[in-house]
Amino acid sequence: EAGVTQFPSHSVIEKGQTVTLRCDPISGHDNLYWYRRVMGKEIKFLLHFVKESKQDESGMPNNRFLAERTGGTYSTLKVQPAELEDSGVYFCASSQFPGYDYGYTFGSGTRLTVV
Amino acid sequence: GQQLNQSPQSMFIQEGEDVSMNCTSSSIFNTWLWYKQDPGEGPVLLIALYKAGELTSNGRLTAQFGITRKDSFLNISASIPSDVGIYFCAAASGTYKYIFGTGTRLKVLA
Repeated sequence: EAGVTQFPSHSVIEKGQTVTLRCDPISGHDNLYWYRRVMGKEIKFLLHFVKESKQDESGMPNNRFLAERTGGTYSTLKVQPAELEDSGVYFCASSQFPGYDYGYTFGSGTRLTVV
Repeated sequence: GQQLNQSPQSMFIQEGEDVSMNCTSSSIFNTWLWYKQDPGEGPVLLIALYKAGELTSNGRLTAQFGITRKDSFLNISASIPSDVGIYFCAAASGTYKYIFGTGTRLKVLA
């Protein structure tokens, strides 16, 4: 089966611009997660979708970040306007079950650089 | 908030040597996981631990869930060049979200 796919793999934008990251989860996985790793730090939870509904968005840094999952399939994460501190690697993950027992399957990530 | 202290931050080892890394926390967790991230890839699950005291192996990798439920370690025996990468511990306490450590960057010298 195809894994979790993220696009683009790299993005370099100027401060103040808008960037949209996309994640295609494994087919049939209702649970989709976004995480972020700022350079050298831990991977931090951003939010969790169950199908098209936001189950938990407590990790979203601020209102410049908007995540959507229309139709419960792929998800997008938009940063508008981007700031320097938004640079990092954004990981998407998906799982069939919502609990924590099974781990996730992660995508390869999108490396975002804001200059 | 909850956080995991992962050490060492990085290590250089000779091929064939054994490696040990660990994660500690002041919080109690129900699940501990160990992931490995290769360059340009996302983290891949290596070992999952679900019970305090549990010791689980996956090939040359062995991980343990600490008895206090506040720590875990990962050992790699007889390291090889493809063991290079960043190893992350992760833990959860009854929810779907994981807390991750800051990672241990492993470099193997042939």
